[in-house]
Amino acid sequence: TQLLEQSPQFLSIQEGENLTVYCNSSSVFSSLQWYRQEPGEGPVLLVTVVTGGEVKKLKRLTFQFGDARKDSSLHITAAQPGDTGLYLCAGLHTGTASKLTFGTGTRLQVTL
Amino acid sequence: NAGVTQTPKFQVLKTGQSMTLQCAQDMNHEYMSWYRQDPGMGLRLIHYSVGAGITDQGEVPNGYNVSRSTTEDFPLRLLSAAPSQTSVYFCASRLIGGEDTEAFFGQGTRLTVV
Repeated sequence: TQLLEQSPQFLSIQEGENLTVYCNSSSVFSSLQWYRQEPGEGPVLLVTVVTGGEVKKLKRLTFQFGDARKDSSLHITAAQPGDTGLYLCAGLHTGTASKLTFGTGTRLQVTL
Repeated sequence: NAGVTQTPKFQVLKTGQSMTLQCAQDMNHEYMSWYRQDPGMGLRLIHYSVGAGITDQGEVPNGYNVSRSTTEDFPLRLLSAAPSQTSVYFCASRLIGGEDTEAFFGQGTRLTVV
């Protein structure tokens, strides 16, 4: 059972456009992370949001954690070809056996 | 600083063969885990370990075994490979504790079972 659903699954846009990726769950998480993965590589952490309602900005990327800590969004302003990749959200359940549960992924392609 | 090292990078197995995917980290992380990545399904947790001598199952453990004899190494064994195990496998490590610990990933092993 996939606990974290991402939408859309695929997104192909032109340079300069804005986009939003959604990550939704029925579970409450202690924190929510976003990773980006490029072909042939492992995922790399972009950001962690911890507090319900928290908003974090990383240059043209804006991340938000839902008030109930069940969902998150990633907004990219003025997308560039360098933003191309697979975006993965991941929810963390804290505790001794804290597990990181990944979302289904959103594959973004930005063309000139 | 090597981070997380996985070997091999590519492997082709025949159905029924066994093999071990190697994973080593040099960051003294307590937590290590194995994921498989399939199209449209993100990363699914196979097994994880919170320290040497301690392992537990993730969401898709069937057909895989793990052991953790040292902090650094966390090998994944396929006992009798099946075509359904064709996938890309990632090992990850991180510190335990805190809500903002970063997971560090290896470069992955692309496994094909024919």
